Amino acid sequence: GAGVSQSPSNKVTEKGKDVELRCDPISGHTALYWYRQSLGQGLEFLIYFQGNSAPDKSGLPSDRFSAERTGGSVSTLTIQRTQQEDSAVYLCASSLVASGGLNTGELFFGEGSRLTVL
Amino acid sequence: AQSVTQLDSHVSVSEGTPVLLRCNYSSSYSPSLFWYVQHPNKGLQLLLKYTSAATLVKGINGFEAEFKKSETSFHLTKPSAHMSDAAEYFCVVPDDMRFGAGTRLTVKP
Repeated sequence: GAGVSQSPSNKVTEKGKDVELRCDPISGHTALYWYRQSLGQGLEFLIYFQGNSAPDKSGLPSDRFSAERTGGSVSTLTIQRTQQEDSAVYLCASSLVASGGLNTGELFFGEGSRLTVL
Repeated sequence: AQSVTQLDSHVSVSEGTPVLLRCNYSSSYSPSLFWYVQHPNKGLQLLLKYTSAATLVKGINGFEAEFKKSETSFHLTKPSAHMSDAAEYFCVVPDDMRFGAGTRLTVKP
């Protein structure tokens, strides 16, 4: 597609349920990021995938959160046993990575998945 | 590790007056730096970026930013604010993709 695609755009779930959020990055972009934006808050880094390297999971808030990226393209963010504090907009972004591994390229963001945990 | 600090969580200006949104970075070397803008209920859009080619960078919508190594700053400015500039602005070091906390710009008529 032309841009980063995220689904679902809106998800309402009950506390304790598991949810999966999907991100389809721009074709050819090797870097993929997940962020969380709570109401009125900035962007909280969650996880970063770069090519075949081990992902940078340093931003995941708890072991209930996990993410995978299959075939170097589509990524799924999974939240197990959701809590009310997980309610937020989850943003995915992708970018090209310059040689040497330093990312100096523009991040392209999807529209986000708004998660509401009741 | 690199990081950025946005010094103001909220800036309020009157329409037609100058805008200054402050960003300081911490790094042992000259980084690349970006500013992103997020309008209400919209996605993030790149406003401008510094990649060491020129210290004064011009972006969209009349915004510009100056990279000052001596001050480790990359402040965003605009000579005259417009109502449509009301948004959330984020400074980011692309090498580690950690965003600043954001600055909410309010423009009063």
